[in-house]
Amino acid sequence: AQSVTQPDIHITVSEGASLELRCNYSYGATPYLFWYVQSPGQGLQLLLKYFSGDTLVQGIKGFEAEFKRSQSSFNLRKPSVHWSDAAEYFCARYNAGNMLTFGGGTRLMVKP
Amino acid sequence: DTEVTQTPKHLVMGMTNKKSLKCEQHMGHRAMYWYKQKAKKPPELMFVYSYEKLSINESVPSRFSPECPNSSLLNLHLHALQPEDSALYLCASSQPDREYQPQHFGDGTRLSIL
Repeated sequence: AQSVTQPDIHITVSEGASLELRCNYSYGATPYLFWYVQSPGQGLQLLLKYFSGDTLVQGIKGFEAEFKRSQSSFNLRKPSVHWSDAAEYFCARYNAGNMLTFGGGTRLMVKP
Repeated sequence: DTEVTQTPKHLVMGMTNKKSLKCEQHMGHRAMYWYKQKAKKPPELMFVYSYEKLSINESVPSRFSPECPNSSLLNLHLHALQPEDSALYLCASSQPDREYQPQHFGDGTRLSIL
């Protein structure tokens, strides 16, 4: 199965600072990519998705992600982080049969 | 508000008990999934139902028994669980006949095995 890698296990940013979470996917046909967020004690909420077309996709809560085929990356960004953004973030892709493969996750901590 | 509803939110059970987890969605999705998530790990796929038929079983022990009574409901029956089965169990749904539509997750059931 094709894989997804999130190189950063933990990231800490100051409130109001910009954020970039990294995601790399293994080579293959056009990947179907997603970013999910999981707050403590909750399920996964879809932030955004990429299927094809425009490589810069906008999501909910002010997040965006850019698909870069040349770098096999799909990094998540936000220009100004809020304390409520502290959570676990998962990058994921579909494999055959609509089966999701998740990255290991990045835990975001926000300093006041 | 989540569109996939899971009950109960928390469940504590002994190793000899029988219990069930429930999942319900009213988005008209025809694929439903069970995942297991351990602390600080991504979700791991357990089962997939497509059009109410079991299509994928990821080599899950038989002490976990899924059931899909209709297109809106998904159950996970639990029997003789082990302490290592303590985890967050997530249900998800998607539309399988539209290529690669995202999965929508519930808030999960936190299961503790004594």
